[in-house]
Amino acid sequence: GAGVSQSPSNKVTEKGKDVELRCDPISGHTALYWYRQSLGQGLEFLIYFQGNSAPDKSGLPSDRFSAERTGGSVSTLTIQRTQQEDSAVYLCASSSGVEQPQHFGDGTRLSIL
Amino acid sequence: QKEVEQDPGPLSVPEGAIVSLNCTYSNSAFQYFMWYRQYSRKGPELLMYTYSSGNKEDGRFTAQVDKSSKYISLFIRDSQPSDSATYLCAMSEVGTYKYIFGTGTRLKVLA
Repeated sequence: GAGVSQSPSNKVTEKGKDVELRCDPISGHTALYWYRQSLGQGLEFLIYFQGNSAPDKSGLPSDRFSAERTGGSVSTLTIQRTQQEDSAVYLCASSSGVEQPQHFGDGTRLSIL
Repeated sequence: QKEVEQDPGPLSVPEGAIVSLNCTYSNSAFQYFMWYRQYSRKGPELLMYTYSSGNKEDGRFTAQVDKSSKYISLFIRDSQPSDSATYLCAMSEVGTYKYIFGTGTRLKVLA
């Protein structure tokens, strides 16, 4: 497809489990971003990739959160030992360059029981 | 005080009305201004992308930036029920990738 693709679209898991969220950016986009959107809150920046490197991880809430990007394309956001406060929609975006507009996927809706 | 302020609404208007959505901001270094539309259970969709001050028009949508007042607006003409969504403003500085988002305004266009 032409847009940013995220999977799964929904994930329900028990507290304490690990989860992996996947993002497939627009073909050719070198920059990739992860955001978190909670009810009534704005989008919260998590991490930025340029190619396979993550020069800015400042938004990751804790060391339970990690992300990687391979081949300058697909990215995975991993949350270890999930907590109920991790429940949110996790959005991925990509752009063709730093000052180019960011295009979003439809997100993964994560629910921690 | 948040860097970007946006009235959460909801804003209800009749079909065919002109809608005005607004954001204020405090960081004078912002130079890029974006408007996104987000339908329920979908990701934000880019509507408008502007640099610095002035107006930009695309179909029924007009974006305005007033940097002296630190105020941006999105106007929707001839609003349709399909325009019912949450509208997010976002801003960034030159040379940076980090967008600062408003919390979104929920719009309802009544048929």
